[in-house]
Amino acid sequence: ETAVFQTPNYHVTQVGNEVSFNCKQTLGHDTMYWYKQDSKKLLKIMFSYNNKQLIVNETVPRRFSPQSSDKAHLNLRIKSVEPEDSAVYLCASGDWGGYAEQFFGPGTRLTVL
Amino acid sequence: QQQVRQSPQSLTVWEGGTTVLTCSYEDSTFNYFPWYQQFPGEGPALLISILSVSDKKEDGRFTTFFNKREKKLSLHIIDSQPGDSATYFCAASEGAYKVIFGKGTHLHVLP
Repeated sequence: ETAVFQTPNYHVTQVGNEVSFNCKQTLGHDTMYWYKQDSKKLLKIMFSYNNKQLIVNETVPRRFSPQSSDKAHLNLRIKSVEPEDSAVYLCASGDWGGYAEQFFGPGTRLTVL
Repeated sequence: QQQVRQSPQSLTVWEGGTTVLTCSYEDSTFNYFPWYQQFPGEGPALLISILSVSDKKEDGRFTTFFNKREKKLSLHIIDSQPGDSATYFCAASEGAYKVIFGKGTHLHVLP
């Protein structure tokens, strides 16, 4: 099956903890993305990454960092989570050289208590 | 900051009716305009898209219109079905990394 896979489906944690979310795509794309979707469904891009370049949305706090082992995997680490980090984190993939059609995973819902 | 304005925020239509969603943008360099559909508990999925060299694209009951001069686009859904109930996002992009999403429209189709 070719798709974008994310784990875990949801995660509950306490303020100040570190969390890490996994994303894997089997679509053969060369670019992966992380988005944050808040409770109002607003979609905000956080990172765009291929093997050549990482583009970071300047509004993303430094406690967030992407981690990639190869072009099929892009994990998201959050050091010292805060209550406003509660959201759904969506991973997506696409081709850098093509038009920006993106394929999204099902998301990881983070709740920070 | 670049914006893509989407309206309405929420919309309710009867089954069989026509749904119209609209978006406007500011950056003239945008050249690709996808519409995404998102169901609860899922990620957005591409519904239909249009390039800036076109003014209309159809896919079954879904049609997107593009007006380059006015920097506007719209999504029309004819014969709306309860299964179309979802959140719809327009987006504007230039290349793979410059993608701006609208705030979404929550569509409810009543049987």
